[in-house]
Amino acid sequence: GQQLNQSPQSMFIQEGEDVSMNCTSSSIFNTWLWYKQDPGEGPVLLIALYKAGELTSNGRLTAQFGITRKDSFLNISASIPSDVGIYFCAGQLGQGAQKLVFGQGTRLTINP
Amino acid sequence: DAGVIQSPRHEVTEMGQEVTLRCKPISGHNSLFWYRQTMMRGLELLIYFNNNVPIDDSGMPEDRFSAKMPNASFSTLKIQPSEPRDSAVYFCASSLLSVGYGYTFGSGTRLTVV
Repeated sequence: GQQLNQSPQSMFIQEGEDVSMNCTSSSIFNTWLWYKQDPGEGPVLLIALYKAGELTSNGRLTAQFGITRKDSFLNISASIPSDVGIYFCAGQLGQGAQKLVFGQGTRLTINP
Repeated sequence: DAGVIQSPRHEVTEMGQEVTLRCKPISGHNSLFWYRQTMMRGLELLIYFNNNVPIDDSGMPEDRFSAKMPNASFSTLKIQPSEPRDSAVYFCASSLLSVGYGYTFGSGTRLTVV
């Protein structure tokens, strides 16, 4: 079945540093999504990518849909304490309500 | 918009008991998903519905698990009988079939089976 390999599994950084995480797949996806999960809550959508090569920003977050359609990365610039949480990549085979395949998550910890 | 509403938020039950988790999707959404999250296995899709019809239940672990969606505003996930290995956080999510940007998750139900 489809699997997403997300790395790193965890990151410990200083406030103000930039963060980079990525996701690779053995399968091609038509949509890549990045979610953030805060403790005790469900994942919340951060960025959605629909085209190979697409680069999309949402404030301090930037994500790209890899040319091969088998990978994606997420960058966070100038991290702040509220960026702490678990970040998940997810791949979606088709547009609309198809099932998502999730990566294992990257746990981000920020030292003030 | 109240978002996806799940109840209860926490459930502690004894092994062998029946457990029912409930979900109210966002009004107007016509797709609903049940996910399970554990440390070992991450987020796993259990089942999803389009227009109240189950489309893919291949992720349902075994016959002890069942899910229903009697109408567009309500779904249940039932475990009978429950076992300690069912302990996890169960998420419900909903979306619009016609829109291609992922879906909205509820806050989850943390289930502990002792």
